[in-house]
Amino acid sequence: NAGVTQTPKFRILKIGQSMTLQCAQDMNHNYMYWYRQDPGMGLKLIYYSVGAGITDKGEVPNGYNVSRSTTEDFPLRLELAAPSQTSVYFCASSPMTGGYEQYFGPGTRLTVT
Amino acid sequence: QKEVEQDPGPLSVPEGAIVSLNCTYSNSAFQYFMWYRQYSRKGPELLMYTYSSGNKEDGRFTAQVDKSSKYISLFIRDSQPSDSATYLCAMSVSSGTYKYIFGTGTRLKVLA
Repeated sequence: NAGVTQTPKFRILKIGQSMTLQCAQDMNHNYMYWYRQDPGMGLKLIYYSVGAGITDKGEVPNGYNVSRSTTEDFPLRLELAAPSQTSVYFCASSPMTGGYEQYFGPGTRLTVT
Repeated sequence: QKEVEQDPGPLSVPEGAIVSLNCTYSNSAFQYFMWYRQYSRKGPELLMYTYSSGNKEDGRFTAQVDKSSKYISLFIRDSQPSDSATYLCAMSVSSGTYKYIFGTGTRLKVLA
């Protein structure tokens, strides 16, 4: 049981490039989330999904897109990378939402230069 | 005013000390409260989870919620160098909402 896995661990992008951050969970959780964590700013929700085929925006969705074709996978797409997207990205999952604990992946550290 | 306030630290304590970590919040509708531990360059891991007011104990860790004061605490007894990490509080309104609000985290250093 691997929990929540994320790839890659690190990535450097040039301004204007695109990439996909991968996230997978093997706990059969319906709910999945993408957060970014900036120094001194806490975790901010980018997108979330309540099940395969259903996604919605969080607090800071601009510049990102997601898809959820299976229960296990929830990739995050960055289009036209900007320096403001330099951050650490965490994927999380939970069996339900709101009153239930979230399980986090190890994170992807992204630098845009 | 932020919905959740947490002192960023760092908080340095000697090994064996009792540590108190705190968060205050402004939204009286919060009902579910969580504490996460995050080691450097790792993802947050859930430590404690409580519903509504009261205390919950798990080994050396005690989580306390005072809804009347909008204040939550995490106590660590007999602190160890391995407890050195950033501690994040998180809270949500109710089941069925996606919205978890996180504190910015308190960095704790336990000195051997």
